[in-house]
Amino acid sequence: AQTVTQSQPEMSVQEAETVTLSCTYDTSESDYYLFWYKQPPSRQMILVIRQEAYKQQNATENRFSVNFQKAAKSFSLKISDSQLGDAAMYFCAYRSPYNNNDMRFGAGTRLTVKP
Amino acid sequence: KAGVTQTPRYLIKTRGQQVTLSCSPISGHRSVSWYQQTPGQGLQFLFEYFSETQRNKGNFPGRFSGRQFSNSRSEMNVSTLELGDSALYLCASSLVATGGAGYGYTFGSGTRLTVV
Repeated sequence: AQTVTQSQPEMSVQEAETVTLSCTYDTSESDYYLFWYKQPPSRQMILVIRQEAYKQQNATENRFSVNFQKAAKSFSLKISDSQLGDAAMYFCAYRSPYNNNDMRFGAGTRLTVKP
Repeated sequence: KAGVTQTPRYLIKTRGQQVTLSCSPISGHRSVSWYQQTPGQGLQFLFEYFSETQRNKGNFPGRFSGRQFSNSRSEMNVSTLELGDSALYLCASSLVATGGAGYGYTFGSGTRLTVV
């Protein structure tokens, strides 16, 4: 079974600085999808960025980018120019394209942004 | 375009009672998944429905059940509530189920269930 590990329960960053959140996963599949979700205090999970495993190019969405290392099974999220609104829980998630393709989530990293 | 709507937002129930939570997916989304979120266990998959059929089920007891209607709206039911069922229940919709895993989910704001 696929598992997702986020080893940093909490992180903090100064406003306007850059922070990297770590995520590793375990799978025997060669094709899959990876996601980062943000959950602010409003509770709604918001998709931040997605990566397709068969694409070597790292995904980028404005200030958010990933460092996808398929061989190492690592999928870190980099937030540049951090803003106060980035403060939230961040979840890394894995989804298989095959049967039983429910999304597996890591335990989450709570990000604090200091003004 | 309306998002995923979950009702109610908050619910307080007594042990032994049953509860029904509702989720209306984004228009056109036919897949609805349910997750339980707790501080100790994180996000755990409950089940997924696609075109009124349960496609996948997580490792939860039979007290947890769900269904999906022809308009893709979904309900989940928990019978004989236990204190440990207190959690945030999140519903997520996606455009397709099998074959469309890359689309990811759009989540609702959840229902906070407290069992006393």
